[in-house]
Amino acid sequence: EVVLTQSPATLSLSPGERATLSCRASQSISDNLAWYQQQLGQIPRLLIYTASNRAPGIPARFSGSGSGTDFTLTISSLEPEDFAVYYCHQRYSWPNTFGQGTKVEMK
Amino acid sequence: QVQLLQSGAEVKKPGASVKVSCKTSGYTFIDWNLHWVRQAPGQRLEWMGWINVGNGDTKYSQRFQGRVTFTRDTSASAAYMELSSLRSEDTAIYYCAREISFSGYYYPFYWGQGTLVTVTT
Repeated sequence: EVVLTQSPATLSLSPGERATLSCRASQSISDNLAWYQQQLGQIPRLLIYTASNRAPGIPARFSGSGSGTDFTLTISSLEPEDFAVYYCHQRYSWPNTFGQGTKVEMK
Repeated sequence: QVQLLQSGAEVKKPGASVKVSCKTSGYTFIDWNLHWVRQAPGQRLEWMGWINVGNGDTKYSQRFQGRVTFTRDTSASAAYMELSSLRSEDTAIYYCAREISFSGYYYPFYWGQGTLVTVTT
């Protein structure tokens, strides 16, 4: 099973600041990685697919990069609605897995 | 528009089984596969498995192997997740999610509203 390890667990930032979230896979998963945002009490929303492509309707301040084992989600300038939990998710191999999440909280 | 409507909250005793339904609309049911994902209170998303709605093939996370069964009813455009031998650790919100394709890569995109399953004596 591919284990996805996200860091940091919590990121405390202010609106307007840049957020950088990391996801590391226990083995190479090529670029078959997605990022989801989950606001409190809400269903997950797909932000990024195949590591670096924005899903439909996702603002340009969200960007993804990486391949192989190391991936990054960057939010260039945090908006109030961006404070949420972010999960990476791999579909490279069975079973598919999620990371444990990074909470972006308001400082 | 694509909609996934799940069945209502359930309260079960340890050792019992639960069956959650996911009724879909707004698209051709057999064209898109469905995932089941759960989330215990305050915990991460956990992938349970996947069903090829077209032919009924399934893949389960080993963590649930032997306890979970995915089925579908194509005439009703609905999918089902049954989890048996429930224990308190199975208390969670259970989601169904439909894939979307991006250049041959498939990811869960449309999500049901979730079904809370509470396991308690």
